[in-house]
Amino acid sequence: DQQVKQNSPSLSVQEGRISILNCDYTNSMFDYFLWYKKYPAEGPTFLISISSIKDKNEDGRFTVFLNKSAKHLSLHIVPSQPGDSAVYFCAARTDSWGKLQFGAGTQVVVTP
Amino acid sequence: NAGVTQTPKFRVLKTGQSMTLLCAQDMNHEYMYWYRQDPGMGLRLIHYSVGEGTTAKGEVPDGYNVSRLKKQNFLLGLESAAPSQTSVYFCASSYSGGYNEQFFGPGTRLTVL
Repeated sequence: DQQVKQNSPSLSVQEGRISILNCDYTNSMFDYFLWYKKYPAEGPTFLISISSIKDKNEDGRFTVFLNKSAKHLSLHIVPSQPGDSAVYFCAARTDSWGKLQFGAGTQVVVTP
Repeated sequence: NAGVTQTPKFRVLKTGQSMTLLCAQDMNHEYMYWYRQDPGMGLRLIHYSVGEGTTAKGEVPDGYNVSRLKKQNFLLGLESAAPSQTSVYFCASSYSGGYNEQFFGPGTRLTVL
C-alpha cells in the first residue's frame, strides 16, 4: 500500500532556475516528513525535513512546504545547480519507532 | 568517523544459496534499519532494531532474518536466496525514533541468479 507518492518520475530544469518537486501522502497520521537526495551508487543523504506542525522550512537553497489539508508537500530548489542532478526521495515518519515510508523518487537533471 | 558502512558492496548468488550482509555504524546510534530498493519503487523497510538485542519486522520481512548482537552492527541474512531478492540493500541508523534523520550506508547490490 503506497502511502507516499511522487507522481513525477523525472524533472529537467535549466541551471539557475527553480526546481519544484512534489509529494503526496494518504495517511493523516504522518507527523514528520523528510527529503533525501541520492546520487548513483551511493546511499541516500538527508536534505531537509519538516514537522507536521509547520508549513514551511528553509535551509539555504532548499525550502520544503507542507499543505496538511491537501496532504501535499513540495521541495523547492533555488537556484538549481548542476550538482543538484540526482534522485530525490520524499519520506514520511510512520510511527514512534522512526519507520519511514518512501516515495518512488524523482530524477532531477539540471542542464547548463 | 566512517558513519554507516556496508559489506559487501556487490554479490552474485545462485538460487538457494545463503549469505549475510553486514552493516556497521560508529555514531553510537540506537536505531538501525534495513531497506531494499527496487527499480521504480522507493525504499522499503525489511527489518529494524531499536537497540542492542532487539529486532522487529518491517514492511517486507519475508525471506530475511536479522540480528543485532552488538549496538554498532546490524546483520541481514538470506537463508535461501530467490531471484525476487535481487535488489539494492541499504542499511540506515538514527539516534532515536524521534524527529531526526536516518543516516544511510552506500548500499549492497545483490543479484540472485
